Amino acid sequence: GNSVTQMEGPVTLSEEAFLTINCTYTATGYPSLFWYVQYPGEGLQLLLKATKADDKGSNKGFEATYRKETTSFHLEKGSVQVSDSAVYFCALSRSGYALNFGKGTSLLVTP
Amino acid sequence: DSGVTQTPKHLITATGQRVTLRCSPRSGDLSVYWYQQSLDQGLQFLIQYYNGEERAKGNILERFSAQQFPDLHSELNLSSLELGDSALYFCASSRSGGDVKNIQYFGAGTRLSVL
Repeated sequence: GNSVTQMEGPVTLSEEAFLTINCTYTATGYPSLFWYVQYPGEGLQLLLKATKADDKGSNKGFEATYRKETTSFHLEKGSVQVSDSAVYFCALSRSGYALNFGKGTSLLVTP
Repeated sequence: DSGVTQTPKHLITATGQRVTLRCSPRSGDLSVYWYQQSLDQGLQFLIQYYNGEERAKGNILERFSAQQFPDLHSELNLSSLELGDSALYFCASSRSGGDVKNIQYFGAGTRLSVL
């Protein structure tokens, strides 16, 4: 079936450090891939998406590239801020109906 | 603000009881999705409605049911509640359904505590 695996957290970084959160997926065909972010006490917000191989999604300094050959969609940011502290979810949509989510990676950025 | 409204924000009830969670989608969105977020299971898709009709079903228990009304708001009914049903329940909405490029917009969730 369709599934998403992302790195376990929590991840703790100092402000201005480089961030990578790994995400790999298993799916037939050509899913769309998403990163959602959940700030404390809030719902999920779409951070970025990619709908076909080699697409790069980007938003607020975050980037992720859809790599079909490695079935990956790793999230990166060059310089994190304290305000980036949140839980990050990788997700795929194969059918256009359900989103299949990874377990989430908690990020804490310290000043 | 995503434009998706969920009520109530918090719900505390006892085992064996029944509760109803409500969701109003973004203006113009025809699809509504329900997800359950728990510590052990993570985020799991429960069910989707499109323009009043059930479109897709996930890991939804038989004790749970949902519907989407003509004004497109949706309700998730949870009955014979058990301790393990304690979780955060999210509603999401999208313009359409069945398109892999579909973006789902999430509400802030309803936190259910079963005591």
